[in-house]
Amino acid sequence: DSGVTQTPKHLITATGQRVTLRCSPRSGDLSVYWYQQSLDQGLQFLIQYYNGEERAKGNILERFSAQQFPDLHSELNLSSLELGDSALYFCASSVGPLGPKQETQYFGPGTRLLVL
Amino acid sequence: GQQVMQIPQYQHVQEGEDFTTYCNSSTTLSNIQWYKQRPGGHPVFLIQLVKSGEVKKQKRLTFQFGEAKKNSSLHITATQTTDVGTYFCAGRTGTASKLTFGTGTRLQVTL
Repeated sequence: DSGVTQTPKHLITATGQRVTLRCSPRSGDLSVYWYQQSLDQGLQFLIQYYNGEERAKGNILERFSAQQFPDLHSELNLSSLELGDSALYFCASSVGPLGPKQETQYFGPGTRLLVL
Repeated sequence: GQQVMQIPQYQHVQEGEDFTTYCNSSTTLSNIQWYKQRPGGHPVFLIQLVKSGEVKKQKRLTFQFGEAKKNSSLHITATQTTDVGTYFCAGRTGTASKLTFGTGTRLQVTL
């Protein structure tokens, strides 16, 4: 158990819908990262928040957005869903900011999204 | 953009054989991390390498960071069935906090 929690574990929805994935980081971690893992794309970095502010952006679509709340939990919003958005979405946390020990990332169990 | 490739994509070994996965970045890295993901699981941090030419060992696992800081390897001696999973390298450039994950190497170990 990494200490990072994600809900829900599984999500089935239809194309065009909107969903929200939730992540609670490990106690004391200020950074939250979101990743998408699909069979053909591997593990893709989406976005990072540090202490409530966006810190780094990766290959995140405009239909996707995220935020980190004052209690440090984070939500990833996926809208206008397409079949290709079906994937495993991981949240990870780290102490942050930069530094060899601060940037070890601890991954949550993931949310498996299926878009039909 | 930065690309991190790993070879091989997949390797099947008999228990007791050695295994090596190689990680190559298109750009110089400031540090590299290795993760293991068991089937149905999430990536778990194994180690971080920072210095050029650095070698670190964890029991049967040996990690190396290349002199040019553009490649890395993970070697497992005498594999066991518990080593099954996908091994990812993940690199960081400069002071960026973003990690770029490699394509992964899936290891299958049979008795």
